[in-house]
Amino acid sequence: GNSVTQMEGPVTLSEEAFLTINCTYTATGYPSLFWYVQYPGEGLQLLLKATKADDKGSNKGFEATYRKETTSFHLEKGSVQVSDSAVYFCALRGDRPTGKLIFGQGTTLQVKP
Amino acid sequence: GAVVSQHPSRVICKSGTSVKIECRSLDFQATTMFWYRQFPKQSLMLMATSNEGSKATYEQGVEKDKFLINHASLTLSTLTVTSAHPEDSSFYICSAPTGAYNEQFFGPGTRLTVL
Repeated sequence: GNSVTQMEGPVTLSEEAFLTINCTYTATGYPSLFWYVQYPGEGLQLLLKATKADDKGSNKGFEATYRKETTSFHLEKGSVQVSDSAVYFCALRGDRPTGKLIFGQGTTLQVKP
Repeated sequence: GAVVSQHPSRVICKSGTSVKIECRSLDFQATTMFWYRQFPKQSLMLMATSNEGSKATYEQGVEKDKFLINHASLTLSTLTVTSAHPEDSSFYICSAPTGAYNEQFFGPGTRLTVL
């Protein structure tokens, strides 16, 4: 079945450091890939998405490229801020239009001033 | 973006009682909604898919008689935790897809504590 694996956290960085959170997936067909962010005490928000191979999703300085050859969708940001501290979830949706999402285990990011 | 609300945001109940959680799509109609459960510091686990006009589809291992789902209208789905026990304490989150790409919008979640 479909699955998503994220690097284990927590990840602790200083402000302005470079961020990478690894995400790999297993899926049949052509899934869509997503990164969601959950700030403390809040619900999930879509951060970015990519719907086909080689697509790059980007938002708020975050980027991720859909790499079918390595089945990866790593999240990157060039310079993190304290306000980026949150839990980040990688997710996939299969190529059927059911909307069902499969989530990775989540990675906690803590950015220190 | 689209807005999904949940009510209540927090609920504390005694063991053996039932608790109803509402999920509403505020500015769009949703024939499908999803219910997730999130344990502390863990990922979201899909519990069931709520379908307007038909029965909910439950994921493997989720007791349908324990977690009753009713998709009452195109903007409302409810999850009732029946005969709640302390192990049911968790964060329950709903979502609804909309738009050309079926992007899912999530509610803010409901924190259930069973004493």
